[in-house]
Amino acid sequence: LAKTTQPISMDSYEGQEVNITCSHNNIATNDYITWYQQFPSQGPRFIIQGYKTKVTNEVASLFIPADRKSSTLSLPRVSLSDTAVYYCLVALPGSSASKIIFGSGTRLSIRP
Amino acid sequence: EAGVTQFPSHSVIEKGQTVTLRCDPISGHDNLYWYRRVMGKEIKFLLHFVKESKQDESGMPNNRFLAERTGGTYSTLKVQPAELEDSGVYFCASSQGEGYNEQFFGPGTRLTVL
Repeated sequence: LAKTTQPISMDSYEGQEVNITCSHNNIATNDYITWYQQFPSQGPRFIIQGYKTKVTNEVASLFIPADRKSSTLSLPRVSLSDTAVYYCLVALPGSSASKIIFGSGTRLSIRP
Repeated sequence: EAGVTQFPSHSVIEKGQTVTLRCDPISGHDNLYWYRRVMGKEIKFLLHFVKESKQDESGMPNNRFLAERTGGTYSTLKVQPAELEDSGVYFCASSQGEGYNEQFFGPGTRLTVL
């Protein structure tokens, strides 16, 4: 099972760009990288998923270097409402959910 | 479109009692998952239904936990008898397609066993 390592917490200010890096040294060839966001008293919410290079959607960007041993979630111009826990997951699409490891996540705090 | 809903949002019971949690997935989602986070630890997988069949129940902690999904719609997770270590937040999620894909999570049920 591919294990991920993320910083436990990060702080930033409104309007800044925030980059959260995840290490996944044991990522398998066909594994995808997925990021979830979780607010207090809510379930995790899918943000973005990618395999290599760069993926961008209306919420975030995901940067994946050529060796795929790490990935960076980039949140542009954060606001107070981006305060949440962010999880990096590595899994093969189509694999059993029992192989999905959420890890401890990164607690992001945004200040005014 | 309604998201994944869970009932109740909170439940407080005494050790030895029985509790049943309910999850209503997004309409049309064949896959339904149960997860839990206990004592502030990581979110852990419990089991996975495909329609009414248990696809993978490798995460179920012991035989005090029973999950059902009759008719392939909503699911229930019964804990009988509840123990102190069962306290935590139980999440349900649903998804389309085969295997692991984007999962849509419910708000969770916070279970407290006294």
